[in-house]
Amino acid sequence: DTGVSQDPRHKITKRGQNVTFRCDPISEHNRLYWYRQTLGQGPEFLTYFQNEAQLEKSRLLSDRFSAERPKGSFSTLEIQRTEQGDSAMYLCASSTHGTLATNEKLFFGSGTQLSVL
Amino acid sequence: RKEVEQDPGPFNVPEGATVAFNCTYSNSASQSFFWYRQDCRKEPKLLMSVYSSGNEDGRFTAQLNRASQYISLLIRDSKLSDSATYLCPVGGYQKVTFGTGTKLQVIP
Repeated sequence: DTGVSQDPRHKITKRGQNVTFRCDPISEHNRLYWYRQTLGQGPEFLTYFQNEAQLEKSRLLSDRFSAERPKGSFSTLEIQRTEQGDSAMYLCASSTHGTLATNEKLFFGSGTQLSVL
Repeated sequence: RKEVEQDPGPFNVPEGATVAFNCTYSNSASQSFFWYRQDCRKEPKLLMSVYSSGNEDGRFTAQLNRASQYISLLIRDSKLSDSATYLCPVGGYQKVTFGTGTKLQVIP
């Protein structure tokens, strides 16, 4: 399978616990995005990387959220001290971003559904 | 002002009808425009790119108006299988941003 893969598909955790999600992008893609989505809303931007550099992190994101892409390949998203409001679908997407900045198509993974009890 | 704005709907239309959605964006420097389709509890999937000259893919027509900063999607001869949420991500040199999406329900 050469698409974007995310692990786990589902995560149930208790409030206050830490969770970590993994995303493996399409191999030749240099950009990787993390989004969060709740029912009835569009994907909300969290952060993105170009290769291993984290270019932007949403101002809405608290310090409990951190993401890494250490070698410019896979990425992890960690949420510390989870809260019930963190319950959502966490989507990863990858793309090829060139110098012209046009036609940047995102390819999504199936997402990780987080439930915080 | 939100970076990308869409009417969340729902748009309830009968089979065979023509329906159109708009999406406005705030960053005039935006360079890439698409329409994505998202089924319930699934990931978004690319429907079509949007080009300045407008483009068509079967029953779907997309248009871009840079002066007014909006893109549109026209669906002709709606099918039950078109029922989904339609998203219009906008990007450029920086991040790709989504709106809330527009929900379409095609009714028999």
